[in-house]
Amino acid sequence: GIQVEQSPPDLILQEGANSTLRCNFSDSVNNLQWFHQNPWGQLINLFYIPSGTKQNGRLSATTVATERYSLLYISSSQTTDSGVYFCARDRGSTLGRLYFGRGTQLTVWP
Amino acid sequence: KAGVTQTPRYLIKTRGQQVTLSCSPISGHRSVSWYQQTPGQGLQFLFEYFSETQRNKGNFPGRFSGRQFSNSRSEMNVSTLELGDSALYLCASSKGEWETEAFFGQGTRLTVV
Repeated sequence: GIQVEQSPPDLILQEGANSTLRCNFSDSVNNLQWFHQNPWGQLINLFYIPSGTKQNGRLSATTVATERYSLLYISSSQTTDSGVYFCARDRGSTLGRLYFGRGTQLTVWP
Repeated sequence: KAGVTQTPRYLIKTRGQQVTLSCSPISGHRSVSWYQQTPGQGLQFLFEYFSETQRNKGNFPGRFSGRQFSNSRSEMNVSTLELGDSALYLCASSKGEWETEAFFGQGTRLTVV
């Protein structure tokens, strides 16, 4: 079946530290996204990144499609970065279904 | 432009009742997908609609159903509610066809008592 594995499952950091979250996936993808789930449950789009590298402020992401992994980098962590980060991929087609990993629970202490 | 809107935000129902949740996608988006999130199972796919047609369905019992209207708004219905249906229900919209980037609503938190 389609697998999405995220690591680490939990990450605890001091404010100002940098972190790397990893997402491994099987097979080729048409769509790979990173989300941050806020305390109210909404999934906030971070990156749409089936391949290549993107940056948005303190966050950046890289997907190496040929090696089936994606990385999310968070630099100079802030307490507001706390929450669950999800990686999700599609089936490699235009169908809208996403397969989610179990997430990384990030806690940033002041 | 407005994001994905889900109503209601919170709902408390009794076992055996039925419930209808609503999702209005981003203007111009034709694909709507529904997901259930629970602490034990994580995020699980329920179904996907595109241009009023169900294109994909997850592994859920027949008590879970949905539909999409001509304006792309979607509803999902759960009949004969069980305690285990308590969850956060998330709706996502995308343009569909070749553009599959998904945008999520704030969710409906359903509690079954």
